[in-house]
Amino acid sequence: DAGITQSPRHKVTETGTPVTLRCHQTENHRYMYWYRQDPGHGLRLIHYSYGVKDTDKGEVSDGYSVSRSKTEDFLLTLESATSSQTSVYFCAISAGYEQYFGPGTRLTVT
Amino acid sequence: GENVEQHPSTLSVQEGDSAVIKCTYSDSASNYFPWYKQELGKRPQLIIDIRSNVGEKKDQRIAVTLNKTAKHFSLHITETQPEDSAVYFCAASKDSGNTPLVFGKGTRLSVIA
Repeated sequence: DAGITQSPRHKVTETGTPVTLRCHQTENHRYMYWYRQDPGHGLRLIHYSYGVKDTDKGEVSDGYSVSRSKTEDFLLTLESATSSQTSVYFCAISAGYEQYFGPGTRLTVT
Repeated sequence: GENVEQHPSTLSVQEGDSAVIKCTYSDSASNYFPWYKQELGKRPQLIIDIRSNVGEKKDQRIAVTLNKTAKHFSLHITETQPEDSAVYFCAASKDSGNTPLVFGKGTRLSVIA
């Protein structure tokens, strides 16, 4: 599992509330990614990080922010959750060319 | 930016038959093409990948082929088994790795016993 954990694994929240998802890795990988997975859309990149405090936007970054204050943690924040952000969120790391995923967080916004 | 198209979206085969999933990409600079298998409720798992300096790669019952001129690559599964039933995703990335993957929308493979 490439030493990747995500927390929480499941969350139900209300529209308008802030939500933070955490990705933690134990193998000191420099590159980390956040994807969302929705039926019919596959996996789409939200944000990624190429080092501590170095981040960049992906294809579907609107409504999301990220932070990486230390190598092992990459946080994804929904400042004000909306129903369209109901999804499964996967964190990933890359080791050279290969990319490995965390177990995912299922987020429901009601 | 890169765009990856994947076909078919669903595929049903009889156990023991072969399955082929095809992907096309748009960016000629892409040079890394992985395939992921995702079982229900689980994370995507890397099953095989290919880089642009080779045309084919095999690992037991699965193989991937790449045609850089046509910008398409394919996953071949032979002697399918029920445990091959899953959603398969192709992806592409470029440069020296450590770059975000662009995924196809997935193929749901059902192997009928």
